[in-house]
Amino acid sequence: LAKTTQPISMDSYEGQEVNITCSHNNIATNDYITWYQQFPSQGPRFIIQGYKTKVTNEVASLFIPADRKSSTLSLPRVSLSDTAVYYCLVGVMDTGRRALTFGSGTRLQVQP
Amino acid sequence: DSGVTQTPKHLITATGQRVTLRCSPRSGDLSVYWYQQSLDQGLQFLIQYYNGEERAKGNILERFSAQQFPDLHSELNLSSLELGDSALYFCASSPPFFGGDQETQYFGPGTRLLVL
Repeated sequence: LAKTTQPISMDSYEGQEVNITCSHNNIATNDYITWYQQFPSQGPRFIIQGYKTKVTNEVASLFIPADRKSSTLSLPRVSLSDTAVYYCLVGVMDTGRRALTFGSGTRLQVQP
Repeated sequence: DSGVTQTPKHLITATGQRVTLRCSPRSGDLSVYWYQQSLDQGLQFLIQYYNGEERAKGNILERFSAQQFPDLHSELNLSSLELGDSALYFCASSPPFFGGDQETQYFGPGTRLLVL
Protein backbone atom coordinates (compact mmCIF):
# COMPACT_ATOMS: atom_id res chain seq x y z
CA LEU A 1 0.00 0.00 0.00
CA ALA A 2 1.54 3.30 -1.10
CA LYS A 3 2.31 5.61 1.76
CA THR A 4 0.78 9.00 2.29
CA THR A 5 3.59 11.16 3.64
CA GLN A 6 3.85 14.46 5.47
CA PRO A 7 6.66 16.27 7.30
CA ILE A 8 6.89 15.04 10.86
CA SER A 9 6.91 18.48 12.46
CA MET A 10 6.91 22.20 11.77
CA ASP A 11 7.52 25.26 13.91
CA SER A 12 6.01 28.68 13.40
CA TYR A 13 5.28 31.95 15.17
CA GLU A 14 1.95 33.62 15.81
CA GLY A 15 0.70 35.61 12.85
CA GLN A 16 2.67 33.67 10.24
CA GLU A 17 1.29 31.62 7.38
CA VAL A 18 1.95 27.89 7.58
CA ASN A 19 1.93 25.50 4.61
CA ILE A 20 1.84 21.74 5.18
CA THR A 21 2.23 19.42 2.22
CA CYS A 22 1.01 15.85 1.89
CA SER A 23 2.22 13.44 -0.78
CA HIS A 24 -0.36 10.91 -1.96
CA ASN A 25 0.83 9.48 -5.25
CA ASN A 26 -1.65 6.58 -5.20
CA ILE A 27 -4.86 8.55 -4.72
CA ALA A 28 -7.95 6.95 -6.24
CA THR A 29 -9.49 8.69 -9.25
CA ASN A 30 -12.74 9.75 -7.62
CA ASP A 31 -11.40 10.47 -4.17
CA TYR A 32 -11.29 13.82 -2.47
CA ILE A 33 -8.47 15.04 -0.24
CA THR A 34 -9.41 15.95 3.30
CA TRP A 35 -7.41 17.56 6.09
CA TYR A 36 -7.98 17.13 9.79
CA GLN A 37 -6.69 18.74 12.97
CA GLN A 38 -6.16 16.69 16.11
CA PHE A 39 -5.51 17.78 19.68
CA PRO A 40 -4.19 15.30 22.28
CA SER A 41 -6.71 12.65 23.33
CA GLN A 42 -9.39 14.02 20.99
CA GLY A 43 -10.82 12.80 17.72
CA PRO A 44 -9.65 14.45 14.50
CA ARG A 45 -11.61 17.53 13.47
CA PHE A 46 -12.45 18.37 9.86
CA ILE A 47 -10.64 21.40 8.43
CA ILE A 48 -11.08 21.43 4.66
CA GLN A 49 -11.68 19.18 1.66
CA GLY A 50 -11.06 19.43 -2.07
CA TYR A 51 -10.78 17.51 -5.33
CA LYS A 52 -8.58 19.76 -7.47
CA THR A 53 -7.19 23.30 -7.84
CA LYS A 54 -7.90 25.50 -4.84
CA VAL A 55 -10.46 25.49 -2.08
CA THR A 56 -10.81 28.12 0.62
CA ASN A 57 -12.95 28.31 3.72
CA GLU A 58 -12.97 30.49 6.80
CA VAL A 59 -10.03 28.73 8.44
CA ALA A 60 -7.75 27.41 5.68
CA SER A 61 -6.95 27.01 2.00
CA LEU A 62 -6.17 23.81 0.16
CA PHE A 63 -4.04 23.73 -2.98
CA ILE A 64 -4.12 20.67 -5.22
CA PRO A 65 -2.00 20.44 -8.39
CA ALA A 66 -3.37 19.02 -11.63
CA ASP A 67 -1.85 15.55 -11.10
CA ARG A 68 -3.41 15.37 -7.60
CA LYS A 69 -0.42 13.49 -6.25
CA SER A 70 0.06 16.02 -3.48
CA SER A 71 -1.83 18.71 -1.65
CA THR A 72 -0.91 21.68 0.52
CA LEU A 73 -2.85 22.90 3.50
CA SER A 74 -2.36 26.61 4.12
CA LEU A 75 -3.17 28.13 7.51
CA PRO A 76 -3.11 31.94 7.38
CA ARG A 77 -1.93 33.88 10.44
CA VAL A 78 -1.64 31.00 12.90
CA SER A 79 -2.24 31.47 16.61
CA LEU A 80 -1.14 29.50 19.66
CA SER A 81 -4.39 27.53 19.56
CA ASP A 82 -3.40 26.11 16.16
CA THR A 83 -0.73 24.01 17.86
CA ALA A 84 -1.89 20.50 17.00
CA VAL A 85 -1.24 17.57 14.69
CA TYR A 86 -2.51 17.91 11.13
CA TYR A 87 -3.40 14.93 8.96
CA CYS A 88 -4.34 14.50 5.33
CA LEU A 89 -6.75 11.71 4.42
CA VAL A 90 -7.21 10.19 0.97
CA GLY A 91 -8.71 7.11 -0.57
CA VAL A 92 -6.36 4.82 -2.45
CA MET A 93 -6.82 1.71 -4.50
CA ASP A 94 -5.07 -1.29 -2.97
CA THR A 95 -5.19 -4.55 -4.95
CA GLY A 96 -8.38 -3.43 -6.62
CA ARG A 97 -10.07 -2.43 -3.39
CA ARG A 98 -10.59 1.05 -2.00
CA ALA A 99 -8.98 1.85 1.32
CA LEU A 100 -8.64 5.07 3.28
CA THR A 101 -5.23 6.20 4.38
CA PHE A 102 -4.20 8.96 6.73
CA GLY A 103 -0.89 10.71 6.30
CA SER A 104 1.69 10.24 9.00
CA GLY A 105 0.68 13.56 10.59
CA THR A 106 2.51 16.87 10.97
CA ARG A 107 2.99 18.23 14.46
CA LEU A 108 2.70 22.02 14.27
CA GLN A 109 4.12 24.03 17.15
CA VAL A 110 3.20 27.71 17.20
CA GLN A 111 5.36 29.96 19.36
CA PRO A 112 4.39 33.39 20.71
CA ASP B 1 -19.06 17.96 20.05
CA SER B 2 -19.20 16.16 16.69
CA GLY B 3 -22.45 14.31 17.40
CA VAL B 4 -20.75 10.91 17.17
CA THR B 5 -20.81 8.96 20.41
CA GLN B 6 -18.57 6.10 21.44
CA THR B 7 -18.76 3.80 24.43
CA PRO B 8 -17.01 2.99 26.60
CA LYS B 9 -14.52 5.83 26.97
CA HIS B 10 -11.93 3.62 28.61
CA LEU B 11 -11.49 -0.13 28.69
CA ILE B 12 -8.92 -2.18 30.53
CA THR B 13 -8.72 -5.88 29.89
CA ALA B 14 -6.31 -8.80 29.79
CA THR B 15 -4.59 -10.57 26.94
CA GLY B 16 -6.71 -13.23 25.30
CA GLN B 17 -9.97 -11.51 26.13
CA ARG B 18 -12.64 -10.17 23.80
CA VAL B 19 -14.20 -6.69 23.87
CA THR B 20 -16.87 -4.80 21.97
CA LEU B 21 -16.67 -1.12 21.17
CA ARG B 22 -19.83 0.73 20.25
CA CYS B 23 -20.41 3.73 18.02
CA SER B 24 -23.52 5.79 17.34
CA PRO B 25 -23.24 7.97 14.23
CA ARG B 26 -24.62 11.48 13.82
CA SER B 27 -28.31 11.64 13.03
CA GLY B 28 -28.81 11.13 9.31
CA ASP B 29 -25.32 9.78 8.62
CA LEU B 30 -25.22 6.44 6.82
CA SER B 31 -21.50 5.71 6.87
CA VAL B 32 -19.49 4.54 9.84
CA TYR B 33 -15.71 4.19 9.87
CA TRP B 34 -13.38 2.63 12.41
CA TYR B 35 -9.78 3.70 13.00
CA GLN B 36 -7.02 2.58 15.32
CA GLN B 37 -4.49 5.07 16.65
CA SER B 38 -1.42 3.84 18.47
CA LEU B 39 1.72 5.77 19.34
CA ASP B 40 3.93 4.12 16.76
CA GLN B 41 1.41 3.59 13.96
CA GLY B 42 -0.53 6.81 13.66
CA LEU B 43 -4.15 6.68 12.47
CA GLN B 44 -4.90 3.39 10.74
CA PHE B 45 -8.09 2.83 8.81
CA LEU B 46 -9.81 -0.42 9.74
CA ILE B 47 -13.16 -0.63 7.98
CA GLN B 48 -16.11 1.33 6.64
CA TYR B 49 -19.80 0.48 6.52
CA TYR B 50 -22.43 2.26 4.47
CA ASN B 51 -26.05 1.68 5.37
CA GLY B 52 -25.30 -1.73 6.78
CA GLU B 53 -22.98 -2.94 4.03
CA GLU B 54 -19.20 -3.15 4.13
CA ARG B 55 -17.84 -0.53 1.73
CA ALA B 56 -14.11 -0.31 2.26
CA LYS B 57 -11.57 -2.30 4.20
CA GLY B 58 -8.14 -1.44 5.53
CA ASN B 59 -5.57 -3.53 7.35
CA ILE B 60 -8.05 -4.96 9.79
CA LEU B 61 -6.80 -8.06 11.57
CA GLU B 62 -8.76 -11.30 11.31
CA ARG B 63 -9.19 -11.17 15.09
CA PHE B 64 -11.19 -7.97 14.61
CA SER B 65 -14.66 -7.74 13.13
CA ALA B 66 -17.30 -5.08 12.79
CA GLN B 67 -20.88 -4.66 11.76
CA GLN B 68 -23.43 -1.95 11.27
CA PHE B 69 -26.94 -2.58 12.52
CA PRO B 70 -30.29 -1.52 11.00
CA ASP B 71 -30.43 1.48 13.34
CA LEU B 72 -27.00 2.42 11.89
CA HIS B 73 -25.02 2.07 15.08
CA SER B 74 -21.87 0.02 14.72
CA GLU B 75 -19.84 -2.31 16.87
CA LEU B 76 -16.19 -3.24 16.60
CA ASN B 77 -15.32 -6.60 18.11
CA LEU B 78 -11.74 -7.30 19.14
CA SER B 79 -10.90 -10.85 20.16
CA SER B 80 -7.85 -12.78 21.40
CA LEU B 81 -6.46 -9.47 22.50
CA GLU B 82 -2.72 -8.88 22.54
CA LEU B 83 -0.63 -6.22 24.25
CA GLY B 84 -0.12 -4.53 20.90
CA ASP B 85 -3.85 -3.93 20.51
CA SER B 86 -3.66 -1.23 23.16
CA ALA B 87 -4.62 1.96 21.35
CA LEU B 88 -7.24 4.63 20.85
CA TYR B 89 -10.08 3.41 18.66
CA PHE B 90 -12.02 6.10 16.83
CA CYS B 91 -15.30 5.87 15.08
CA ALA B 92 -16.36 8.43 12.49
CA SER B 93 -19.52 8.97 10.50
CA SER B 94 -20.35 10.82 7.31
CA PRO B 95 -23.55 11.89 5.59
CA PRO B 96 -24.90 10.19 2.46
CA PHE B 97 -22.96 10.99 -0.71
CA PHE B 98 -23.78 10.43 -4.33
CA GLY B 99 -21.15 10.13 -7.04
CA GLY B 100 -17.47 10.22 -6.30
CA ASP B 101 -15.92 9.55 -2.92
CA GLN B 102 -16.42 12.79 -1.04
CA GLU B 103 -16.71 12.04 2.60
CA THR B 104 -16.60 14.60 5.34
CA GLN B 105 -16.03 12.44 8.36
CA TYR B 106 -17.00 13.49 11.87
CA PHE B 107 -15.04 11.72 14.57
CA GLY B 108 -16.15 10.55 17.96
CA PRO B 109 -14.09 11.05 21.14
CA GLY B 110 -12.60 7.57 20.93
CA THR B 111 -12.32 4.54 23.18
CA ARG B 112 -9.00 4.06 24.91
CA LEU B 113 -8.21 0.35 25.16
CA LEU B 114 -5.50 -0.93 27.44
CA VAL B 115 -4.58 -4.60 27.26
CA LEU B 116 -2.56 -5.87 30.23
